[in-house]
Amino acid sequence: AQKVTQAQTEISVVEKEDVTLDCVYETRDTTYYLFWYKQPPSGELVFLIRRNSFDEQNEISGRYSWNFQKSTSSFNFTITASQVVDSAVYFCALSEAPPIEEYGNKLVFGAGTILRVKS
Amino acid sequence: DAGITQSPRYKITETGRQVTLMCHQTWSHSYMFWYRQDLGHGLRLIYYSAAADITDKGEVPDGYVVSRSKTENFPLTLESATRSQTSVYFCASMLAGVPNEQFFGPGTRLTVL
Repeated sequence: AQKVTQAQTEISVVEKEDVTLDCVYETRDTTYYLFWYKQPPSGELVFLIRRNSFDEQNEISGRYSWNFQKSTSSFNFTITASQVVDSAVYFCALSEAPPIEEYGNKLVFGAGTILRVKS
Repeated sequence: DAGITQSPRYKITETGRQVTLMCHQTWSHSYMFWYRQDLGHGLRLIYYSAAADITDKGEVPDGYVVSRSKTENFPLTLESATRSQTSVYFCASMLAGVPNEQFFGPGTRLTVL
């Protein structure tokens, strides 16, 4: 069965600090996809990144970077020089590639990490 | 307007009443999903649909019913609401194919008294 663990319930940092959000996943499949979503205080869910299990290259997008390590089943998310606007709930999610398309591409979410960035 | 919309945005109901939450998307995405968000649990999948007239259960389907007669609509019905169904409900849609970005609606906050 799939499982996503975000052990950090809440993190508080001061603006300009770097912060890493941890994500550990469990799956029996060799082909799977990992996601990060952001939920700002307004409540909507914003897609940040998708990564497939065959691509272990780290990715950087502006102040955001992601470290995917299959050996430790982790897909951690780092925000460099955090800003108040980064305050949100961040969700890590996992989807296994279905054997038949009609079975759907179901996402399993972690419980989320609340990030508070103080000025 | 293009996108994915949910209605109502807020709903208060009483235990035992039937409630239907609506979801509409304009992208003609094949897949649609219903999640509930509860503190400490993240988002949990209730039901999903791969296409019109194809639906299947997710992780927490008990007490919910879905239908999908048209590609663009995916209503979620609580047949007899219970207090434990107080939650924020999100609808999402996604293109067919490999697991890809899911586009989420704004959510419906449901309170069952």
